[in-house]
Amino acid sequence: NAGVMQNPRHLVRRRGQEARLRCSPMKGHSHVYWYRQLPEEGLKFMVYLQKENIIDESGMPKERFSAEFPKEGPSILRIQQVVRGDSAAYFCASSPPNQGSEQFFGPGTRLTVL
Amino acid sequence: DAKTTQPPSMDCAEGRAANLPCNHSTISGNEYVYWYRQIHSQGPQYIIHGLKNNETNEMASLIITEDRKSSTLILPHATLRDTAVYYCIAKSGNNAGNMLTFGGGTRLMVKP
Repeated sequence: NAGVMQNPRHLVRRRGQEARLRCSPMKGHSHVYWYRQLPEEGLKFMVYLQKENIIDESGMPKERFSAEFPKEGPSILRIQQVVRGDSAAYFCASSPPNQGSEQFFGPGTRLTVL
Repeated sequence: DAKTTQPPSMDCAEGRAANLPCNHSTISGNEYVYWYRQIHSQGPQYIIHGLKNNETNEMASLIITEDRKSSTLILPHATLRDTAVYYCIAKSGNNAGNMLTFGGGTRLMVKP
């Protein structure tokens, strides 16, 4: 059973461009979480999604950030008009429904904004 | 979720037991204690969790005090590969769907 997959692993964008980060949860997992880790800081929760639904987006910045988890395909974290402060590692985690609550993390996407 | 407090850093000799403390004095009755670790720049890795009984798995043991105000993660025979930041997290319930709130963690350095 493959683990949580994220791509790309590294992403470089210039200020003002868009960044799209993808997350494929573990097989059978229907819960996806996105976390952000700024340089030299701890992980911060951003958003929790189930298939086709955003359940908790209390950690998402109000502007430029959006997330989706469609019925088919990976979860997408989208950052529009990136700024240098968006440079960070973005981690996705998934968990199975009703089988305990351990979250399994992917390797992360490291976004660098020039 | 209750706030947890951990020492910022600890050292441990290779082959010895690493005992990582965590204080969670305001933990409520339905909050579990979870431990994750993050090895340099990788995604966090689940280690163990418990409510009030001590727990053991292939990675570690978790000792929770009777009043549940503190706990200790024990790595019985630390290796160099156990060098990581260890996070103690108090989280409500045992169901999927609750976010993890990461604090500063303890940076464990295992030395040869």
